[in-house]
Amino acid sequence: AQSVTQLGSHVSVSEGALVLLRCNYSSSVPPYLFWYVQYPNQGLQLLLKYTSAATLVKGINGFEAEFKKSETSFHLTKPSAHMSDAAEYFCAVTAVGNFNKFYFGSGTKLNVKP
Amino acid sequence: DTAVSQTPKYLVTQMGNDKSIKCEQNLGHDTMYWYKQDSKKFLKIMFSYNNKELIINETVPNRFSPKSPDKAHLNLHINSLELGDSAVYFCASSVRGAYEQYFGPGTRLTVT
Repeated sequence: AQSVTQLGSHVSVSEGALVLLRCNYSSSVPPYLFWYVQYPNQGLQLLLKYTSAATLVKGINGFEAEFKKSETSFHLTKPSAHMSDAAEYFCAVTAVGNFNKFYFGSGTKLNVKP
Repeated sequence: DTAVSQTPKYLVTQMGNDKSIKCEQNLGHDTMYWYKQDSKKFLKIMFSYNNKELIINETVPNRFSPKSPDKAHLNLHINSLELGDSAVYFCASSVRGAYEQYFGPGTRLTVT
């Protein structure tokens, strides 16, 4: 079985500050992990993915995430927040042989203050 | 060039009605999905088709019936709509084994 927990349903940062969105996963098999972003009234857009290659993954818009097996975590970071980063962020997990069945976290809404 | 498109974008209907949502992808993918996003933004998979074959069928009421006429289309038909069916329904597609899914813009269904 697989699941994802996103700590903090709302995160607020100032423009230019560090963004840290937390994701912890549970998986009985080696996981593949993803971060998606959802802007208001839009579909989900892939930010980055971890599929058992490098543990530090770089994505679009300056985001990156690090897979830490010992901590079962895949936190999303960005060194300097921009107003345009305000959106809902979803962490998701799947695994090899899982028929691409994704399990999503409950989402974290990022607010960026001027 | 829309990669994954859904129609309609908004759907308002009354309890007991039957409605359909259509999804099309022009990415050449062989796998398509339906997700339901509830009012708390929780996203849950409902169905998945690979080359027109049903491969994922989560615990969804029988009132929901997906149909895939070809690998570029996956439609969702809902019978006897209930208030609890109100949600945003997302279609997605992928290449089987590629593990990244591309999402459509969503269909906001409101049942009154």
